[in-house]
Amino acid sequence: SQKIEQNSEALNIQEGKTATLTCNYTNYSPAYLQWYRQDPGRGPVFLLLIRENEKEKRKERLKVTFDTTLKQSLFHITASQPADSATYLCALLMDSNYQLIWGAGTKLIIKP
Amino acid sequence: EAGVAQSPRYKIIEKRQSVAFWCNPISGHATLYWYQQILGQGPKLLIQFQNNGVVDDSQLPKDRFSAERLKGVDSTLKIQPAKLEDSAVYLCASSPGTGHPGELFFGEGSRLTVL
Repeated sequence: SQKIEQNSEALNIQEGKTATLTCNYTNYSPAYLQWYRQDPGRGPVFLLLIRENEKEKRKERLKVTFDTTLKQSLFHITASQPADSATYLCALLMDSNYQLIWGAGTKLIIKP
Repeated sequence: EAGVAQSPRYKIIEKRQSVAFWCNPISGHATLYWYQQILGQGPKLLIQFQNNGVVDDSQLPKDRFSAERLKGVDSTLKIQPAKLEDSAVYLCASSPGTGHPGELFFGEGSRLTVL
């Protein structure tokens, strides 16, 4: 069956360190993958998009990698800050029907 | 630029009652989405409109859920009658294009509690 997996357990990181979140998928051939941030009681906010033919994308302290062989995307936040604490969602775009399939998200907690 | 507007933010109803949610997308955005997000899960697409036509409603429980987007602008999502398992946040999102969705712009969501 088709599945997207993100760490269900919260990730606790010390301020200043690099946080790395994982998005694994099976049985999909995505055209691209997106990462969103969601704060409690708010809607998701778009962060980055990476296409299937791109290995890496950066935006300020954020970096996303996409390995279509491993069927995995890694999302990195460098020099993490308590304000980075949130739930991070990955979403894959299915090339067959242009539909976004969402992971359940990983809660990131940055401790001062 | 104004974001996606949703109302109400919170609604508590008893099972078998009805409820309606409203969404006003970003001006000029052709595509509008309604998602259901249950606590601890990712968003699940209920229905996608392109202008005022339905693109995908394959996961919409049509026996109780309905949605419309009149004049290709704002949209309403209705649940009648509600069940306990409908307790969730209903997210509206919009995107400017009509092909690959690209970046989605979400509203704050409408939190529904069914008692």
